[in-house]
Amino acid sequence: AQRVTQPEKLLSVFKGAPVELKCNYSYSGSPELFWYVQYSRQRLQLLLRHISRESIKGFTADLNKGETSFHLKKPFAQEEDSAMYYCALMRYKLIFGAGTRLAVHP
Amino acid sequence: DTEVTQTPKHLVMGMTNKKSLKCEQHMGHRAMYWYKQKAKKPPELMFVYSYEKLSINESVPSRFSPECPNSSLLNLHLHALQPEDSALYLCASSQGNRAPSSYEQYFGPGTRLTVT
Repeated sequence: AQRVTQPEKLLSVFKGAPVELKCNYSYSGSPELFWYVQYSRQRLQLLLRHISRESIKGFTADLNKGETSFHLKKPFAQEEDSAMYYCALMRYKLIFGAGTRLAVHP
Repeated sequence: DTEVTQTPKHLVMGMTNKKSLKCEQHMGHRAMYWYKQKAKKPPELMFVYSYEKLSINESVPSRFSPECPNSSLLNLHLHALQPEDSALYLCASSQGNRAPSSYEQYFGPGTRLTVT
């Protein structure tokens, strides 16, 4: 069955530190993967999708088919990055991971 | 207009009430979705409409009844709900749901539903 695993419920870092939010997926075909972000009291919004290979707000994510991973990275965390991050796999529907809360402290 | 709007923002209803949630988008998207999100959990898909036809029902109880009157509107009719149905109900839309370029889903702010 298709599944998305985000092993960390909470990731707590200091401002300026590197950030890596982990995401692993299980799917035998070519995956369509996304990172969605939900800031406090704001709607869920798309952050990144792997097919576009772009950097948004300093975040990047590389698909590693060998490790079935799609980790989200940022070299220097900012306080405004504090939010809930969901990794998602698109099949006929979006399959979300459990989410990781990123807390960036001053 | 690049937003998905949802009304009402909050809704409190008794178990015998009938109410409706409304979702609207004017981005020309042809796929629309209803999700349920419990606290501290990811969204769970309930229904998908594609070109105004119901294409996916994720085994949702019949006390939830979706309706797509036109390509811009999506309703969720509620009847005889249970307290465990209390959650944030999210609407989303996308260009389509068949090609990768269509997959980006735009979410509304949600309706916070409390069933008493």
